Amino acid sequence: DIQLTQSPSSLSASVGGRVTITCRASQSINNYLNWYQQTPGKAPNLLIYAASSLQSGVPSRFSGSRSGTDFTLTISSLQPEDFATYFCQQSYSTPWTFGQGTKVEIK
Amino acid sequence: EVQLVESGGGLVQPGGSLRLSCATSGFTFSNYNMNWVRQAPGKGLEWVSYISSDSSNIYYADSVKGRFTISRDNAKNSLFLQMDSLRAEDTAVYYCARSLMIVVVSFDYWGQGTPVTVSS
Repeated sequence: DIQLTQSPSSLSASVGGRVTITCRASQSINNYLNWYQQTPGKAPNLLIYAASSLQSGVPSRFSGSRSGTDFTLTISSLQPEDFATYFCQQSYSTPWTFGQGTKVEIK
Repeated sequence: EVQLVESGGGLVQPGGSLRLSCATSGFTFSNYNMNWVRQAPGKGLEWVSYISSDSSNIYYADSVKGRFTISRDNAKNSLFLQMDSLRAEDTAVYYCARSLMIVVVSFDYWGQGTPVTVSS
């Protein structure tokens, strides 16, 4: 199975600040990497697919990039509604797997 | 508006069975592949099972293979998960999720989830 390791597991940031979350795959997965946001008690919401494509309706302050097997989710200017947990997910091969999550908290 | 609504969760004893349902609306269900994804309390997400639009391809996570069965009824716009031989480690919120296939597979719409508790 392909393992995805997210870092950090949690972080504190201020409104307006810039946030970067990393997801490292255990093997090459090309661009088969998606990002989701989940707020407490809610279902996950797709933010980014294919490493860097913004899902329809998602604000442009969210962006994704790839360097080899390292993937990055960036929030350029954190808004109050962005405090949530973020998960990466690979769809290169089954079983499709998720990272363990990164919780973004208010500083 | 795309909607996915799960039902059928609840409390069940170890070794018991449950059948989850996901009623969908707002899109042409028969054109989309579907999935079940679960989340144990306070934990991360785990993909459970996939079924193609015409039921010709089905995949399972190793943790549920041989115990869970995914199915769908395109005439009723519904997805199902038959869960047998349930274990404590199957305790989770179960989400149905639609597959979006643009370049890669992702999960673009999710239901609100139905909780399953396996306990004596």
